[in-house]
Amino acid sequence: ETGVTQTPRHLVMGMTNKKSLKCEQHLGHNAMYWYKQSAKKPLELMFVYSLEERVENNSVPSRFSPECPNSSHLFLHLHTLQPEDSALYLCASSQDVRSTDTQYFGPGTRLTVL
Amino acid sequence: QQQVKQSPQSLIVQKGGISIINCAYENTAFDYFPWYQQFPGKGPALLIAIRPDVSEKKEGRFTISFNKSAKQFSLHIMDSQPGDSATYFCAASTRFSGGYNKLIFGAGTRLAVHP
Repeated sequence: ETGVTQTPRHLVMGMTNKKSLKCEQHLGHNAMYWYKQSAKKPLELMFVYSLEERVENNSVPSRFSPECPNSSHLFLHLHTLQPEDSALYLCASSQDVRSTDTQYFGPGTRLTVL
Repeated sequence: QQQVKQSPQSLIVQKGGISIINCAYENTAFDYFPWYQQFPGKGPALLIAIRPDVSEKKEGRFTISFNKSAKQFSLHIMDSQPGDSATYFCAASTRFSGGYNKLIFGAGTRLAVHP
């Protein structure tokens, strides 16, 4: 295992629901990331946090709201999603956002928006 | 300019054969090129990586070939095994505004190794 855990592993929600994805890293890293993985598309970087400070918001719609309360935990709050938001959401961590360190990925949350 | 183009989209290889996946990029500021392997139900995991100051890196059955002038790099899997069946992603990294490094991923190649 990579030391990055994500919950839940699967989530089905309606367009009017509010839900949250959780990520926890046990590697002592300082940087955490949210990616979106859709079928037949490259992994899309959504958000980057360095020591709990957001350093990148990659033109993500406001219906996705990240939260990083400490360097080990990362949340993605979801509200009023669209069916096209259905995808695998991956969390990753690395030692330092300013160096080309290996990014360690969690197993992802498979999200289905009805 | 920030794209990494990966081919083929899918690949079928017989056991014992050589699997080759290619990637191309435009941004000459990219300075780190990792390959990730992803099995169903798992997140991507780093397989092997190279920096542009070398033309080849080998780790076991996996080799990266890097052509800086052509802005291309490829993954070769020698003696491919059914256990290698997975999706492979190339990526490139550079420092973006704000001083942090960002990985740009290719679209992925689904490899199936048949016994």
